[in-house]
Parts: sequence; C-alpha cells; structure tokens
Amino acid sequence: QVQLKESGPGLVQPSQTLSLTCTVSGFSLTSYNVHWVRQPPGKGLEWMGRMRYNGDTSYNSALKSRLSISRDTSKNQVFLKMNSLQTDDTGTYYCTDGYFDYWGQGVMVTVSS
Amino acid sequence: DVVLTQTPPTLSATIGQSVSISCRSSQSLLHSNGNTYLHWLLQRPGQSPQLLIYSVSRLESGVPNRFSGSGSGTDFTLKISGVEAEDLGVYYCVQGTHAWTFGGGTKLELK
Repeated sequence: QVQLKESGPGLVQPSQTLSLTCTVSGFSLTSYNVHWVRQPPGKGLEWMGRMRYNGDTSYNSALKSRLSISRDTSKNQVFLKMNSLQTDDTGTYYCTDGYFDYWGQGVMVTVSS
Repeated sequence: DVVLTQTPPTLSATIGQSVSISCRSSQSLLHSNGNTYLHWLLQRPGQSPQLLIYSVSRLESGVPNRFSGSGSGTDFTLKISGVEAEDLGVYYCVQGTHAWTFGGGTKLELK
C-alpha cells in the first residue's frame, strides 16, 4: 500500500539549514508527484513545493530563494532543504502524494537556539 | 499568486445539521486544459489532512456521500448534509491550477 514517511532533525538552530527526507513506498517517484506542505503550530497549511514525476520542481514564490527539493529515485526518497531558518519556520512538515491523497504523519521541526 | 479565501473561519453545528463552506479564489481556477484543480481536505485534531473532494465535485474513495462539492471559476462550496461527530476538524480548500495554494481553513466545531 502507499505510504510516505518524513524524517529529519526535530531541532534546528536559527540561520541553519533544514534537511528533511520523505521516503515513499507503494508507488514510483517516476510516475507520481510529491508535495511538501508545512503547518506552523495552531495555524493553517502552507504549500512549499513539488517534485514532479519527471524530475521538474516548482516552489512557493515566498520560499523559493531558500528552498530546494531533490530526489533519489533508486531509494524512493524526496529531499527538502531550506536555508536561513528562522523561528517562524517552526512547525510540522508533511510530504504528500501529488493528489493529496496520501500523507505522511509529519515531522515537527523547532527552530531555536 | 492565487489567494483562496475561506468563509466562515469557524462554523458551529449540531449533529445532523447541514452546513456549507465557501472557498473563493482571486483568479479563475479553470485551467487551459479544461480541468479545475480545486480540492477539499479535512484535518482532524492531531492528524494529517485527508482528501475529501477532488476536482471540485468528485468524491474521494471511501468518503461518505454526505460530503459534496460544487462551484466553478472563482467560487466553490463544500457541503456536509448532516454533520456527524467524526466530521469535526479543520477544512481546507487547495488549488493547483496556478501553482498550489491552500485556503486559510474553516474550523467545524460542535455547537
């Protein structure tokens, strides 16, 4: 069955870089898109970016200068890297399939010194 | 960037009551390919979001048919015909016609 699972550090220092991994199973990254979505505590969802099945990427214009999404199809993994983190980047980070049909459980990231 | 405005921000309902949530877009969501990429999600407390409705009005597999979606262009509506306790949470619309953006959410709570 389709599953997605996020992994990464729970705590990142201000100005540092966040690196997250989304490991998928049950589908091929060369056939389906994967989105990254985040949610500050107690707030709404924010679309961050997408890895398309063909390797193309698209980003939220507000995050584009700090964000990079890549993948390793042999490992069924999609990666998120975001630099210059600040406290308002604290929140839960999700990966989801291209149809928003399947979601990971999310990973909580706290930006604090 | 496309802005999705959801109203109301909070909705209080009794069990069995029918309710509607509006999602208005700052631009038409009709894609040049003829599709409209407007979906509805529900996030229950402490859970990841789940897809309810895709492409305006298509019910996701396994979702009860008390949920329905309608609309076109810039105005869209999610209707719940007879709220049940398991429907409580925050509802989001999301569009993919112009990149991707989420609405601000509508919290459905018990009156």
